Amino acid sequence: GAVVSQHPSWVICKSGTSVKIECRSLDFQATTMFWYRQFPKQSLMLMATSNEGSKATYEQGVEKDKFLINHASLTLSTLTVTSAHPEDSSFYICSARGGLGEAFFGQGTRLTVV
Amino acid sequence: EDQVTQSPEALRLQEGESSSLNCSYTVSGLRGLFWYRQDPGKGPEFLFTLYSAGEEKEKERLKATLTKKESFLHITAPKPEDSATYLCAVQAWTGYQKVTFGIGTKLQVIP
Repeated sequence: GAVVSQHPSWVICKSGTSVKIECRSLDFQATTMFWYRQFPKQSLMLMATSNEGSKATYEQGVEKDKFLINHASLTLSTLTVTSAHPEDSSFYICSARGGLGEAFFGQGTRLTVV
Repeated sequence: EDQVTQSPEALRLQEGESSSLNCSYTVSGLRGLFWYRQDPGKGPEFLFTLYSAGEEKEKERLKATLTKKESFLHITAPKPEDSATYLCAVQAWTGYQKVTFGIGTKLQVIP
């Protein structure tokens, strides 16, 4: 299957600072990438859909000014959590869509805001 | 709204004890149903895609089947390394083909 690389795998930051998470498709071009958030014992919740060269589409209830998404190339999308607070602590996962519609996921990023 | 319900939420099996996981879904035009495996602290690992009722796919000890309302993931003679959370997801044809996930079934295989 296709390979999606996400970096960093974990990060600890102070409250009020910003954190950038990168998502790269290593062996295929992804015009669309997705960003999810997962709380313990809960399902993956789609936050936004990232489209190369255009603005991201955010799900209802997700603050676009807090979760900045940039999809500058066909292989890279970034999620920046701005002015992070403890309630933003979570597991963030990106995915890229393969040619048959299936989603391939990155390894995930565990964000802890202290 | 698309919905995915997985059962059971947790399943404990003895090594070699076969069983099935269920995924019931409602979707406005199914483009595909996906099964993933997720280990703790990691992203989901793609297993299968099913597109139409009656379709079956196999990979080692896993076999996925699909009907118009549900999908089953059959695990034959499981081993401890099969322990993980198994996620089911559906993708609709509408809009930008959003993928909706179930909460998953946490499988534990005991030696």
